[in-house]
Amino acid sequence: ETGVTQSPTHLIKTRGQQVTLRCSSQSGHNTVSWYQQALGQGPQFIFQYYREEENGRGNFPPRFSGLQFPNYSSELNVNALELDDSALYLCASSLKGSTEAFFGQGTRLTVV
Amino acid sequence: SQQGEEDPQALSIQEGENATMNCSYKTSINNLQWYRQNSGRGLVHLILIRSNEREKHSGRLRVTLDTSKKSSSLLITASRAADTASYFCATARNNAGNMLTFGGGTRLMVKP
Repeated sequence: ETGVTQSPTHLIKTRGQQVTLRCSSQSGHNTVSWYQQALGQGPQFIFQYYREEENGRGNFPPRFSGLQFPNYSSELNVNALELDDSALYLCASSLKGSTEAFFGQGTRLTVV
Repeated sequence: SQQGEEDPQALSIQEGENATMNCSYKTSINNLQWYRQNSGRGLVHLILIRSNEREKHSGRLRVTLDTSKKSSSLLITASRAADTASYFCATARNNAGNMLTFGGGTRLMVKP
């Protein structure tokens, strides 16, 4: 167990809806990154948050947004869901400047 | 886009045999990491090798890095059924090394 928890574990949404995924960081970790992993592929970097500010972003449209809270927990929000958003969403926490990321078990999102 | 590409995409071996997975990447790196993922859940960090290192060991794992060829290999010796998982190489998008770009992964099956 990495100490990173994500909720919910599974979720089914309808195309066009909005979704919020949650992540609690490992204790003391101030940096949170989110990844999208489509079936059979490697994870794709969405964005990273440090001290409640977005610290870097991958090639994802603005309908993917996030928040980080003072306790370092984080949310990933996706608006106007599309079928291709169906994936495993992974959260990873780390210390600023540290190379090692600790991943949660992920949220499996299915868009129908 | 994927920075690293693993080869082979799938590997099936008998328990006790060695498993070798290869990874190629495109840009210069500070370090390269290998992760393991069981059944589409969270990723677990296995080993990190820095750009000035050529080989690194951790238990039954041996990682090599050839920066001139932009390639790395992960060797698992004396494999066990419990090693069955997907293995990903990852390079960092940032100096801190925690915004990761993953390859497509190698799916390893170890038969008892």
